Amino acid sequence: QSVLTQPPSVSAAPGQKVTISCSGSSSNIGNKYVSWYQQFPGTAPKLLIYDNNKRPSGIPDRFSGSKSGTSATLDITGLQTGDEADYYCGTWDTSLSAGVFGGGTKLTVL
Amino acid sequence: EVQLVESGGGLVQPGGSLRLSCAASGFVFNTYWMSWVRQAPGKGLEWVANIKRDGSEKNYVDSVKGRFTISRDNARNSLYLQMNSLKAEDAAVYYCARGLAAPDSWGLGTLVTVSS
Repeated sequence: QSVLTQPPSVSAAPGQKVTISCSGSSSNIGNKYVSWYQQFPGTAPKLLIYDNNKRPSGIPDRFSGSKSGTSATLDITGLQTGDEADYYCGTWDTSLSAGVFGGGTKLTVL
Repeated sequence: EVQLVESGGGLVQPGGSLRLSCAASGFVFNTYWMSWVRQAPGKGLEWVANIKRDGSEKNYVDSVKGRFTISRDNARNSLYLQMNSLKAEDAAVYYCARGLAAPDSWGLGTLVTVSS
């Protein structure tokens, strides 16, 4: 059972928008920055969003992040079939003194 | 360009030991916290351990405390994970990653298989 809660799967049609949620608590998301990762099968995770809403160089602005209270959200607009992947949120938990990730969300672009 | 290259994975029997290494390049290694993150087959990401820039502070996930030891050699730009008393549930791809908890760069990973 992951400390951060994500929906196991989401789906949407090409060109549409999808939102992936990440729910935590005051000891993690509530007072720490959240990052988001994209992972294709058999490959290493790739950083999409850091510090809640910042994009590393090279990440399209179709990907955006936000945080409110103890929850964070990843939005992907203009969906493409190439966006089909697993998405993870992650942060630090001050009570556990450990890093924590969500269980991952599988995105299907119908 | 940041590069993290893991090595040392392989097949080990339950109760055995393994030492993973990570060679870092493309950044000033001793200015970053470093972490190990693992992913069991078909499962999600699990943060394992991290170590402060100078090695003075280390943190571990509860399931590996007392069995795993993270260390670093800043002169060699290298990160290590000594894994003892390995269990079947430790089988995973182990990633070396740059950062305290939610890393910004990842290696390709090294596979650890625990089986008799």
